[in-house]
Amino acid sequence: DSGVTQTPKHLITATGQRVTLRCSPRSGDLSVYWYQQSLDQGLQFLIHYYNGEERAKGNILERFSAQQFPDLHSELNLSSLELGDSALYFCASSVGTGGSNQPQHFGDGTRLSIL
Amino acid sequence: AQSVTQPDIHITVSEGASLELRCNYSYGATPYLFWYVQSPGQGLQLLLKYFSGDTLVQGIKGFEAEFKRSQSSFNLRKPSVHWSDAAEYFCAVGDFNAGNNRKLIWGLGTSLAVNP
Repeated sequence: DSGVTQTPKHLITATGQRVTLRCSPRSGDLSVYWYQQSLDQGLQFLIHYYNGEERAKGNILERFSAQQFPDLHSELNLSSLELGDSALYFCASSVGTGGSNQPQHFGDGTRLSIL
Repeated sequence: AQSVTQPDIHITVSEGASLELRCNYSYGATPYLFWYVQSPGQGLQLLLKYFSGDTLVQGIKGFEAEFKRSQSSFNLRKPSVHWSDAAEYFCAVGDFNAGNNRKLIWGLGTSLAVNP
């Protein structure tokens, strides 16, 4: 058990819809990262938050947004969903701002299926 | 551009046999290297990491990896594979330079199957 909790585990929805994925980091971790894992693209970094503030953006679409709340949990919002958004979405957390000596600990992921 | 290559998409070994999973990276500075394992239906678990110092690093579950700068490689090894090692293995390099996205750059993974 990594200590990172993601809900829901599975999500099935239709094109054009909007969903929210939730992540609770490990106790004491201030950084939250979101990744998208798909068969053709592998693991892609989406966005990084530290203590409520956005620190870095990766390959995140404009239809996607995220935030980190004062209690440090994070939500990833995906809107105007397309078939290609079907993927496994991982959340990870680390202690600090994401330096080299701070390994990321991953949740079990949310599997999003777009019909 | 930074990149990570795992040349083997799928590997099958017999239980008890030795294992080596290859990882090559392209990175301009001193790399921070990681191996993660993803068991079916689960998240990624850190096996081991290399930041500096001894180029042979020991990880959990009996795994080790060796950093070879001259070959830009960080291959994962295990002397004797167990059936429970069947999983997806990901190599990653940390891009932690100031001003850059502090992110991990991932290989596409190697799927390991273990025959009884």
